[in-house]
Amino acid sequence: GDSVTQMEGPVTLSEEAFLTINCTYTATGYPSLFWYVQYPGEGLQLLLKATKADDKGSNKGFEATYRKETTSFHLEKGSVQVSDSAVYFCALKKGGSNYKLTFGKGTLLTVNP
Amino acid sequence: DAGITQSPRHKVTETGTPVTLRCHQTENHRYMYWYRQDPGHGLRLIHYSYGVKDTDKGEVSDGYSVSRSKTEDFLLTLESATSSQTSVYFCAISGGQGLDTEAFFGQGTRLTVV
Repeated sequence: GDSVTQMEGPVTLSEEAFLTINCTYTATGYPSLFWYVQYPGEGLQLLLKATKADDKGSNKGFEATYRKETTSFHLEKGSVQVSDSAVYFCALKKGGSNYKLTFGKGTLLTVNP
Repeated sequence: DAGITQSPRHKVTETGTPVTLRCHQTENHRYMYWYRQDPGHGLRLIHYSYGVKDTDKGEVSDGYSVSRSKTEDFLLTLESATSSQTSVYFCAISGGQGLDTEAFFGQGTRLTVV
C-alpha cells in the first residue's frame, strides 16, 4: 500500500539555522504531495503542495521539490525562526482513493532563540 | 479559516461506554474524514465519507462507526470505548475536486478513556 516515511524527530535548531526534513514516499501512479504543519494545540494546516514531478511548492520561506526519480519531497527552509516550532507532516494523495491523505509520522521541530 | 467545528474539544469517559464525536462544517464540502493522532504513528484514517450516507473504512476502523445524514455533519462513534482509543481525534474536510485540493482540519478532540 501507499506510505510516507519522514525523518525521525525531534529536530532542534537555533534561530536562523538551515532546515531540512526528509520525506520519501511509496505509491503507485502519480500522487500529489503535501506538507502540513501543526502548531501546538491546533489542527493541521497546509504549508505547501506539489502535484507533479519537478514541481516546487513554496510558502512562508519553506520549499519542497517533487522528485519522482528519488520518490522524495524534502522540506527546506534557509533560516528558521522560533515561530516555526511545530510538528511537520508529509502526506500524499492519489486519484481513485476518494482523495484520502496518507500521512507520515510527523517531525517535531523546536527552534531556540 | 475553514468553517469546521469539532465537539466536544475534550472528553473523559469510562471504559465500555459509548462515545460520539461530532464534526460540523459550513463549507458544503463533499468529503469528510476522521483521523486519530497518536505519538509515533502520525495521523491514521479511521473512516471517511464521500457524500451523504456514503461512508467507508480507513486503516484503523475497528471499534468505530460513523454516520453522515447531512452534508454538514459527520459523527464518529466509539461503540464501547477502550483505553487504546485514548487519542486526539481530528476531522478533516475537502472539496475533492482534484488531487491538489487542500484538506482543512478541525481543532481536534482530546479523548481520554479511563
